[in-house]
Amino acid sequence: GAGVSQTPSNKVTEKGKYVELRCDPISGHTALYWYRQSLGQGPEFLIYFQGTGAADDSGLPNDRFFAVRPEGSVSTLKIQRTERGDSAVYLCASSHGGASTQYFGPGTRLLVL
Amino acid sequence: DAKTTQPNSMESNEEEPVHLPCNHSTISGTDYIHWYRQLPSQGPEYVIHGLTSNVNNRMASLAIAEDRKSSTLILHRATLRDAAVYYCILRDLILGAQKLVFGQGTRLTINP
Repeated sequence: GAGVSQTPSNKVTEKGKYVELRCDPISGHTALYWYRQSLGQGPEFLIYFQGTGAADDSGLPNDRFFAVRPEGSVSTLKIQRTERGDSAVYLCASSHGGASTQYFGPGTRLLVL
Repeated sequence: DAKTTQPNSMESNEEEPVHLPCNHSTISGTDYIHWYRQLPSQGPEYVIHGLTSNVNNRMASLAIAEDRKSSTLILHRATLRDAAVYYCILRDLILGAQKLVFGQGTRLTINP
C-alpha cells in the first residue's frame, strides 16, 4: 500500500522567503508528526498532530515555523522568513495512534541560500 | 526523556551476525525500548521494540538485559542492504510519550 509521501522532494529558496512543505500520511492514520534532521544528526521532533489539532508543538524552534492539518489528513509545514540555519531534511511520519509505530516519509530537503 | 548511549559506528561483514549495543541506565519502568534504522537518503523505519522479554521478528532480534539498563539489537545474517544508521530510542507509552527522541545512532557499515 501507499506509504507516507512528501512534496517537494527538494526545495531551494533564498533567505527571507516563505516555504510550504506538504505531507500526505498513510490513509487512516490519525497521528502525524514532523521532524527535522540536520546533516550528521538524528531527527529532531517538531510537532505532533492527533486528528486536526496540534497535540504537542514543543519542538517548533520559533514563531517562524507553523504547521496545519485542517482536515485531519494532509499536513503542511510552513516556514516564514527562512534563514540559512533552516536548511535541513524535513521528515513527516504518521501512525494509527499516538503510541503506535511511526511510518516515515522520504523527507523534503530544504536548502536556504 | 530518558537517554540512550550507542557507539558512533560499527563495521561487520556480509552474512555474519551483527550485535548493536545500547545503554539506557536511567530507563524507567514504563519505558519501551524501540529500534529504528535509517538507510541512506531515506526516512527512518521501525525495526523492533520490547519492554522486558527478548523479542524476535523477521528483521531482527532484541535482547534486553535483566535489569533493563542495556539492550542489543541482533541482525542474524547481515546483508549489504542492512548498512544504515541504527537508533535505540526509549518511549514511555504508558505516560503517552508520542514523539520519538533520536540520538546520534550507530552507523553500521557492511563489508562485502
